[in-house]
Amino acid sequence: QQQVKQSPQSLIVQKGGISIINCAYENTAFDYFPWYQQFPGKGPALLIAIRPDVSEKKEGRFTISFNKSAKQFSLHIMDSQPGDSATYFCAASMWFVEAAGNKLTFGGGTRVLVKP
Amino acid sequence: DGGITQSPKYLFRKEGQNVTLSCEQNLNHDAMYWYRQDPGQGLRLIYYSQIVNDFQKGDIAEGYSVSREKKESFPLTVTSAQKNPTAFYLCASNPGQGENTEAFFGQGTRLTVV
Repeated sequence: QQQVKQSPQSLIVQKGGISIINCAYENTAFDYFPWYQQFPGKGPALLIAIRPDVSEKKEGRFTISFNKSAKQFSLHIMDSQPGDSATYFCAASMWFVEAAGNKLTFGGGTRVLVKP
Repeated sequence: DGGITQSPKYLFRKEGQNVTLSCEQNLNHDAMYWYRQDPGQGLRLIYYSQIVNDFQKGDIAEGYSVSREKKESFPLTVTSAQKNPTAFYLCASNPGQGENTEAFFGQGTRLTVV
């Protein structure tokens, strides 16, 4: 059972364009939604994260939009650069549920290629 | 430098052998995790530990075993019972419940069955 569904699986965008990745979740107990960036052969690194009490969070060129009623959240990469070419994962966890152990449930990943 | 160290980076295993993947952290984090990554499937949780001498199964624990004898170490053993062990294995840690929930990942171990 895939609790976090991510789309698209891959994305090609021109330099300067906007990359948009969408995620949908099923478990309404999720209360922490991070995005991770992974380069080939490396471990993922936290990019940006949001909690459900806000609808949008922006850090530099990266923005998370969150729609609690629709159980969806998305990552927007503005002014995409070739250095942004990587695989992006959305994730979700139950931060306030101690027994949940802060486990992250990941989406399937989106491979982003930014063409110069 | 603080961080998570996984070793080896590449590991080859023969059919029927057990192998152990190392994960060490010097971040003083309470919680540690093992994930398996396969192409197109994201990361799936194998085992996790919230405190020394305690650990819980994740979503795909069959064929794997772990131990948590020290706070900084969380080794993963891939046993011969794991039917398809070829994958990229990632270890992660975070400070634990009630803290900043950012999970820090190691650089991974790529295991190949030959």
